[in-house]
Amino acid sequence: DAGVTQSPTHLIKTRGQQVTLRCSPKSGHDTVSWYQQALGQGPQFIFQYYEEEERQRGNFPDRFSGHQFPNYSSELNVNALLLGDSALYLCASSLHRGNEQFFGPGTRLTVL
Amino acid sequence: AQSVTQLDSHVSVSEGTPVLLRCNYSSSYSPSLFWYVQHPNKGLQLLLKYTSAATLVKGINGFEAEFKKSETSFHLTKPSAHMSDAAEYFCVVRADRGSTLGRLYFGRGTQLTVWP
Repeated sequence: DAGVTQSPTHLIKTRGQQVTLRCSPKSGHDTVSWYQQALGQGPQFIFQYYEEEERQRGNFPDRFSGHQFPNYSSELNVNALLLGDSALYLCASSLHRGNEQFFGPGTRLTVL
Repeated sequence: AQSVTQLDSHVSVSEGTPVLLRCNYSSSYSPSLFWYVQHPNKGLQLLLKYTSAATLVKGINGFEAEFKKSETSFHLTKPSAHMSDAAEYFCVVRADRGSTLGRLYFGRGTQLTVWP
């Protein structure tokens, strides 16, 4: 079992650009959550996808959007990048209503 | 609403001495609580979890935590630190009810340094 995988591992963008991050959940999991971890902070919940729909959303602007595919993989899109979007973006997978979330290694996004 | 407060941003210990990382939680009901560890440039790894069973929870790598409802605490301990324990540790509460069901709320983290 490969666990949760994310791509790319690192990404450098400039202000105003758009970025897409990808996540493949652990085998058998159907729910994907995304978190943003700024430097020196704990991860903050962005949103959660189940059955290809956004089920919950944290306190993030509409510039952050996502998608879940029929194979349960997911994308996180961020438009009009700001310097403050620089962070480690973590994907976590779980069973719907399951108790434990498994995290991927993250994508380090740097906005210049 | 759920929240956690990690009382120390940095903890330093010598190898072979005990480790104590402190965490207080806030929840309107008995929560699910977790400790995760994050090594440099790595993702988050689950150390242990409390889900309303035994109040003393044993995890991986010799770590354990005790759920104390009266003190709203969930402190992480290890009898003897190892150099490989140096990492960032996060206390986490999970929303088990309502519109935020399943959402994880993280503390700000405690950086553990282990001296030889």
